[in-house]
Amino acid sequence: RKEVEQDPGPFNVPEGATVAFNCTYSNSASQSFFWYRQDCRKEPKLLMSVYSSGNEDGRFTAQLNRASQYISLLIRDSKLSDSATYLCVVNNYQLIWGAGTKLIIKP
Amino acid sequence: ETGVTQTPRHLVMGMTNKKSLKCEQHLGHNAMYWYKQSAKKPLELMFVYNFKEQTENNSVPSRFSPECPNSSHLFLHLHTLQPEDSALYLCASSQEAGDTGELFFGEGSRLTVL
Repeated sequence: RKEVEQDPGPFNVPEGATVAFNCTYSNSASQSFFWYRQDCRKEPKLLMSVYSSGNEDGRFTAQLNRASQYISLLIRDSKLSDSATYLCVVNNYQLIWGAGTKLIIKP
Repeated sequence: ETGVTQTPRHLVMGMTNKKSLKCEQHLGHNAMYWYKQSAKKPLELMFVYNFKEQTENNSVPSRFSPECPNSSHLFLHLHTLQPEDSALYLCASSQEAGDTGELFFGEGSRLTVL
């Protein structure tokens, strides 16, 4: 089993829709969690950290479920500019990266 | 504009060549990293330097040789590479290694080994 698993997608979503995707992790002792965003042929950039109580940043909501060992990312009112690959990252004293979920927002 | 710059952005080399990738960070960070990113695979950590000292070598083949002369500069020396080494090589920095803060990446050096 991979340490961090993501559905590679692509998720094809119409503009304005809500989209959500999950990331599962294998190490129950994982300490912190992040979502990064990587645009095509660009570098990854931090989108948001994921807190135990869940957190929201504008249209983006991140949730952590420790019991089931997954984190989620919800994007509301999706924009064309949200098209990117979303990388899940788990901190087990070292950052462990998922392979990413590709999101395509269509007009 | 990124606070981490990498050169060259693209590199094509033969298996017998020797080349180097360069990374410079302008963020005042103390930790620098080399990652390898292959298509549809997770980022693979290669090396970590914290205050110029190497703290992590993730079982990387010796044909990759890192150098960190100071906290702002990081090099990756390449020699006798294999075609499977073709990938995007990303440099990153953070305040300190092991902290849970943000990693800042350069735009990467896309390497093709013929």
